[in-house]
Amino acid sequence: QKEVEQNSGPLSVPEGAIASLNCTYSDRGSQSFFWYRQYSGKSPELIMFIYSNGDKEDGRFTAQLNKASQYVSLLIRDSQPSDSATYLCAGTILTGNQFYFGTGTSLTVIP
Amino acid sequence: GAGVSQSPRYKVAKRGQDVALRCDPISGHVSLFWYQQALGQGPEFLTYFQNEAQLDKSGLPSDRFFAERPEGSVSTLKIQRTQQEDSAVYLCASGRTGAGNTIYFGEGSWLTVV
Repeated sequence: QKEVEQNSGPLSVPEGAIASLNCTYSDRGSQSFFWYRQYSGKSPELIMFIYSNGDKEDGRFTAQLNKASQYVSLLIRDSQPSDSATYLCAGTILTGNQFYFGTGTSLTVIP
Repeated sequence: GAGVSQSPRYKVAKRGQDVALRCDPISGHVSLFWYQQALGQGPEFLTYFQNEAQLDKSGLPSDRFFAERPEGSVSTLKIQRTQQEDSAVYLCASGRTGAGNTIYFGEGSWLTVV
């Protein structure tokens, strides 16, 4: 079992809708969680990180962390076609030095 | 530098050839990671450095893979006797302090073994 699991999608939403991306993790010792966006043929770029239970908002993006359920999510409000990309969830584990990545969820925003 | 720089950006190697991939992290960044990303997959951890110390190399797939960061800045990932299954993008990332903090990626080195 991978340390971080994501639904690979693909996920399609109409322009202006809310896109919801989900991630679960297996190690309760995980400290921090990160959402990266990766456009085709490009390297991952950081969107935001979260380490406390609850919600964290940054512009159109909201990250949610529930440590009891070992669940992390990313909400994208007012989705735009430029948001079409693969979204990678990553966690850092207390027992090691790695950033563990999920396989990514492909999002398409339809104009 | 302003960002993580990797070279070469693209490399085609004949099976059995040795390759060396270079990563120049953001100036002052302590942590440095190497990842391997196959098409349609997430980045898979290879190895982690804190300054010049290689603290974790558990992700290196075989003894053909070797990484070093001798002066705590530039790092080199070397792959000996390349095989077709080594074809992937090799991503380098660096972070300001130890693991657990945000890491920033370079553009990657695209390796194709023919």
